Amino acid sequence: DVKVTQSSRYLVKRTGEKVFLECVQDMDHENMFWYRQDPGLGLRLIYFSYDVKMKEKGDIPEGYSVSREKKERFSLILESASTNQTSMYLCASSPRRLAGMDEQFFGPGTRLTVL
Amino acid sequence: QKEVEQNSGPLSVPEGAIASLNCTYSDRGSQSFFWYRQYSGKSPELIMFIYSNGDKEDGRFTAQLNKASQYVSLLIRDSQPSDSATYLCAVNKDSNYQLIWGAGTKLIIKP
Repeated sequence: DVKVTQSSRYLVKRTGEKVFLECVQDMDHENMFWYRQDPGLGLRLIYFSYDVKMKEKGDIPEGYSVSREKKERFSLILESASTNQTSMYLCASSPRRLAGMDEQFFGPGTRLTVL
Repeated sequence: QKEVEQNSGPLSVPEGAIASLNCTYSDRGSQSFFWYRQYSGKSPELIMFIYSNGDKEDGRFTAQLNKASQYVSLLIRDSQPSDSATYLCAVNKDSNYQLIWGAGTKLIIKP
């Protein structure tokens, strides 16, 4: 079974803090994704990576950065946390088969609250 | 127009009946279509995917794809209270590895 793990289920941080969210997958997937999910807005892509050290901006990259130094690990960084970044953060991975044929597998999510 | 549209619901269905969930998409070039289920407070989990026009069945679930009309649907037969969840439709984006997500339909199965 594909397993995607995230470092924390719940996290509370203060405005201005630097926040690190870690994601690890154990199925040797090439592609990894970071989403945030807010009520009524669905899943929104922040960043994704299709290879080590590669990253691509998604739909809402402002205020975030990412790091992928190893294939199995994809980190999301909030450089200076703000209250509007309070959200559920979901990491996903997918294998690189034919483009367009890749189902994504999700981690359990991190519910981040910024005070 | 949103790229992937779903009725937000809630859709209320009696236990044992057929639940029908619909999704429309705007990109005619889309090739693959996914249905995910998400329980409250949990992450999405894949139920089914479909690539070809027509029906694909897996147990109580049937995915239906009509590329000419640009819609994909999910039927759940013999609905159970445990099927109560939000169902997300996702469509591949162009030729890369991204998925475009609908906002989800909340399904409630009433005992």
